[in-house]
Amino acid sequence: QITLKESGPTLVIPTQTLTLTCTFSGFSLSTSGVNVGWIRQPPGKALEWLALIYWNDDKRYSPSLRSRLTITKDTSENRVVLTMTNMDPVDTGTYYCAHRQTSMNAFDIWGQGTMVTVSS
Amino acid sequence: SYELTQPLSVSVALGQTARITCGGDNIGSKNVPWYQQKPGQAPVVVIYRDTNRPSGIPERFSGSNSGNTATLTISRAQAGDEADYYCQVWDNNTVVFGGGTKLTVL
Repeated sequence: QITLKESGPTLVIPTQTLTLTCTFSGFSLSTSGVNVGWIRQPPGKALEWLALIYWNDDKRYSPSLRSRLTITKDTSENRVVLTMTNMDPVDTGTYYCAHRQTSMNAFDIWGQGTMVTVSS
Repeated sequence: SYELTQPLSVSVALGQTARITCGGDNIGSKNVPWYQQKPGQAPVVVIYRDTNRPSGIPERFSGSNSGNTATLTISRAQAGDEADYYCQVWDNNTVVFGGGTKLTVL
């Protein structure tokens, strides 16, 4: 059974850097075809994709946020970390990590999400 | 950048068929998954690769994709189908989500 869980601060001061951790079980991020992505959702708004990391350490980023994002993985610890710099109140929202299998071409298993508020 | 267009809202009478569209330039050439999101919950994939249902998703959910429109069809709509629905594509090495459609079952 695949599970993912996001963790990190609930409150971030503007201009600070956000670091979120996705801890997962039930799969290995060293297995061919496996990816983990980050998606966020401002309150009452649509889903927005942020970043994706592949089993081979290839990485993809949202073009509009690329300069602020870094995604890394720790295969031995079953974790994926997302950092986002220069946080702003518009970055407030729920942040999800999700498992993606290339063969499905979809995010098939999602974490519960973690709410991040950016405020002074 | 690639854009996906969904209607903000769709209403369907209980037991009838709902169709939610997702418009994009030549979207028929791409693989489209659909996600269902109920209030306070994480999204759940209900259709992947245009027409495939994951295990546990009722047969009432089906998908199609051709030309410039992908469609999620929900037959015999139930109250429990009320949710936001999102389409998504992979374009130029990036993931793109549609703006979401709120389905109301009357």
